[in-house]
Amino acid sequence: DGGITQSPKYLFRKEGQNVTLSCEQNLNHDAMYWYRQDPGQGLRLIYYSQIVNDFQKGDIAEGYSVSREKKESFPLTVTSAQKNPTAFYLCASSAQGSGGNQPQHFGDGTRLSIL
Amino acid sequence: GDSVTQMEGPVTLSEEAFLTINCTYTATGYPSLFWYVQYPGEGLQLLLKATKADDKGSNKGFEATYRKETTSFHLEKGSVQVSDSAVYFCALTDRGSTLGRLYFGRGTQLTVWP
Repeated sequence: DGGITQSPKYLFRKEGQNVTLSCEQNLNHDAMYWYRQDPGQGLRLIYYSQIVNDFQKGDIAEGYSVSREKKESFPLTVTSAQKNPTAFYLCASSAQGSGGNQPQHFGDGTRLSIL
Repeated sequence: GDSVTQMEGPVTLSEEAFLTINCTYTATGYPSLFWYVQYPGEGLQLLLKATKADDKGSNKGFEATYRKETTSFHLEKGSVQVSDSAVYFCALTDRGSTLGRLYFGRGTQLTVWP
């Protein structure tokens, strides 16, 4: 079945450590997105990518970095500069379509906590 | 800029009760509107969508009508079940943009008791 796979499901970070969250999709989608979810705040966009080797900052990109070397993969690195990284991280993808009519498909998320 | 406002929860209902979750939006272009549902510990699933004014999206007994005059997209269900307990998100994307990014409301927690 086609879908989006995020790993790991749970992740713990030590102070000063960078951690990378994996996101892989086999839907052949061009666009991919990373969101951060905090209780009572909905989803906030961190980074997004429309094509391979290109990505743009979202609303809360500080302390995060991404790469898009392959169409199916869009890993997110939470750097030590992100002072409050504890959250639920969601990856999504969508087909490029006529101005946003294509719905986004989501993975099951990674919950990141600080040790 | 584009934004979505949805009613704050939590919403608690008895089984077979009528559900309404209000959603209003602000958009500079011509948005498509979505409702997503999130079950505990999972990602979001698309519940329904509408792409132009007066369209009605429907799925699994849920409905929402795109009302341009009131900039609203309220979610309704005539008879909720315990299995409908989840967090519901209203969202929009600008059809005039190729970016396809979604703007989400804060989510409404629904709990249905038997």
